[in-house]
Amino acid sequence: KNQVEQSPQSLIILEGKNCTLQCNYTVSPFSNLRWYKQDTGRGPVSLTIMTFSENTKSNGRYTATLDADTKQSSLHITASQLSDSASYICVVSANDYKLSFGAGTTVTVRA
Amino acid sequence: DTAVSQTPKYLVTQMGNDKSIKCEQNLGHDTMYWYKQDSKKFLKIMFSYNNKELIINETVPNRFSPKSPDKAHLNLHINSLELGDSAVYFCASSQVGGSNEKLFFGSGTQLSVL
Repeated sequence: KNQVEQSPQSLIILEGKNCTLQCNYTVSPFSNLRWYKQDTGRGPVSLTIMTFSENTKSNGRYTATLDADTKQSSLHITASQLSDSASYICVVSANDYKLSFGAGTTVTVRA
Repeated sequence: DTAVSQTPKYLVTQMGNDKSIKCEQNLGHDTMYWYKQDSKKFLKIMFSYNNKELIINETVPNRFSPKSPDKAHLNLHINSLELGDSAVYFCASSQVGGSNEKLFFGSGTQLSVL
């Protein structure tokens, strides 16, 4: 079983609306949690990195939250734009520097 | 300027052939990586090099041989290609390889083995 589970697998939203993506993990010990955005045909690009002591971190219209007790994270996209259409990948780092990747949530923003 | 560049973008080849994928980063980073993204979109680490030295080898078949001529380059050579090698291969780099560092990825090489 993968140690990083993301939901939903995919979602479609209208331009201008908000959406929230979920990430649950079992990786232990925990070092940090990252969210990446991967456009089709491109490599992943880092959005946020959060360590154990951080509950929330923003990058423009992207806001990530972390609950290290329940081992859950969310990525909230505010006022979505067409350019937000991409796959969003949750990545958890253990203290041995290994990264565990989720399968990603594919977001499609429609005009 | 592209920070992490890899070539070719697409690679279509027959089973049994030998092929190479090249990667270069101009960020001045010490650590470079190769990742494989399978059809289910999971990214898995294959190798990591720090300043030309191998530091991670995730039980990848020895048909895969990374080579780092200098810390700005990490090439991947694959011998005797198999159907199961079909995937997208991503090169990445980070400053020194610390656990809290941001990874910078290349655009990927889509390998199709026929």
